[in-house]
Amino acid sequence: DGGITQSPKYLFRKEGQNVTLSCEQNLNHDAMYWYRQDPGQGLRLIYYSQIVNDFQKGDIAEGYSVSREKKESFPLTVTSAQKNPTAFYLCASSGTSRETQYFGPGTRLLVL
Amino acid sequence: GENVEQHPSTLSVQEGDSAVIKCTYSDSASNYFPWYKQELGKGPQLIIDIRSNVGEKKDQRIAVTLNKTAKHFSLHITETQPEDSAVYFCAAYNYGQNFVFGPGTRLSVLP
Repeated sequence: DGGITQSPKYLFRKEGQNVTLSCEQNLNHDAMYWYRQDPGQGLRLIYYSQIVNDFQKGDIAEGYSVSREKKESFPLTVTSAQKNPTAFYLCASSGTSRETQYFGPGTRLLVL
Repeated sequence: GENVEQHPSTLSVQEGDSAVIKCTYSDSASNYFPWYKQELGKGPQLIIDIRSNVGEKKDQRIAVTLNKTAKHFSLHITETQPEDSAVYFCAAYNYGQNFVFGPGTRLSVLP
C-alpha cells in the first residue's frame, strides 16, 4: 500500500523543547517537502529536498531543521527557536515531474 | 515571486447547486495549476489539475477553466453533494520553482 505516512498524529511540545516530526514515503519519490498550515492560510513551505543528503530552505525555515539521510525519510525538527510552533504540519513528496505533490495525513503540534 | 489569491474564503451552497471558486496568479511563467481538497484533519488530495496549454478540463462533476491572459483559473463543481464539503486549495507552479498555494476556500454543502 503506497503512500506517505506522518507520525505522530498529535504532538505536544513544552517550552524550550525540541520535537521531531516523522515523514516516510514508499513512493520512490526523489523530492520531499514540509509545509506549515495555519487556520485560514494557505500552505507555507518550510524546507524541501530534491535528493538525498541535500535540502533547501523554504519561505519560513527559521526555527526548523531537517535531514535527508534516506530517500524514504525526511524528518522535521521544530526547535526551541520557533516561538509560535502551534500549527498543522504537512509532509509531501513528488516524483520526476515535480508537478503532482502527494500529501501525508499531517501532524498537529500543540504547545503546553 | 508568485502570488496566488483565492475567492471566496467561504462558500455555502444548497445540495444539488453548483459551486465556483476562483484563483488569480501573478507570475505569467506559471504553467501548472492543481486543485486540492482537504477534509477535516487530513492532508490535501489532488482532485484536478490543468496545464497552461489547455483552457478547460473536466472530470465528472468537477471542471477547471484557465484564462492565461487574465491570469486566473476556476474550479467548478456541479450537482454538489454533502461529501463535497471541505476546504479547497488552488496552487500555481512553474518548473524549477516551488508551489504557491492560495489561502483556501471552505465549502459547505447544505442538505
